[in-house]
Amino acid sequence: GAGVSQSPSNKVTEKGKDVELRCDPISGHTALYWYRQSLGQGLEFLIYFQGNSAPDKSGLPSDRFSAERTGGSVSTLTIQRTQQEDSAVYLCASSLEAFYGYTFGSGTRLTVV
Amino acid sequence: QKEVEQNSGPLSVPEGAIASLNCTYSDRGSQSFFWYRQYSGKSPELIMSIYSNGDKEDGRFTAQLNKASQYVSLLIRDSQPSDSATYLCAVGANSGNTPLVFGKGTRLSVIA
Repeated sequence: GAGVSQSPSNKVTEKGKDVELRCDPISGHTALYWYRQSLGQGLEFLIYFQGNSAPDKSGLPSDRFSAERTGGSVSTLTIQRTQQEDSAVYLCASSLEAFYGYTFGSGTRLTVV
Repeated sequence: QKEVEQNSGPLSVPEGAIASLNCTYSDRGSQSFFWYRQYSGKSPELIMSIYSNGDKEDGRFTAQLNKASQYVSLLIRDSQPSDSATYLCAVGANSGNTPLVFGKGTRLSVIA
C-alpha cells in the first residue's frame, strides 16, 4: 500500500482481556517496528523485525506482550491479560533501512477499562 | 543506554519569527539524525534528515548537525500557526535497521 496501515484505529477493552493490533507496512519495506506512546510521553520502542531474522524483542515491557510477522509483511502485536497501564497509542513504522528514517502508521489507541 | 535529550517546552514564538529547537544525544557513534513533527492526536511525520556536519535546508526548515558537540537543531523560519506541534528528534546508528532512539519532543506554539 501507499502507507503504513494499522488497525483498529481505536480499541477499548476490559482489563484482563487479550487484544491484537495489526500493522501492514509499506510494500517492499523489510524492517518493521512497534513503538508505544503514553499520554504526554515519548516514543517507547517495543520490538522490531528485519526480514527473516529473529526479531529484536528487547523493548517488550513484559511477557504479556508478543508480536509476529507473517511472510515478511503484516505484523500482529498481541497483549495478553491487558492492564490499565497498557493504555497508550501503539505505533507501527516501516522502512527500507532505518538509516534513512522510517514511516509511521496512524496508530492504534488502546484503552483498558 | 543511548539517550536523546530535548527541552520539553512549550516553546512559544510569534508568527513570522524563527523557531529554534535543540537536541543532544549520548551515542558518539550515531550517524543518522531526524526531525519528526507530531500534531496533537496524530502520528509522527518525518520532516528532515541529516547525516553530515553542517546545515541542510528544505524550504522554511534548516537542520543543523555538530557531531563533535553531539548536537542537532532544527530552525523553522517564518513560523506559522500551522507549525504548532511537538517536534521529535531521533538518532540512529550508521547502518542497518537498529531502531532509532527518540527524544521526548519539544512542544512548539506559534502565536498569531
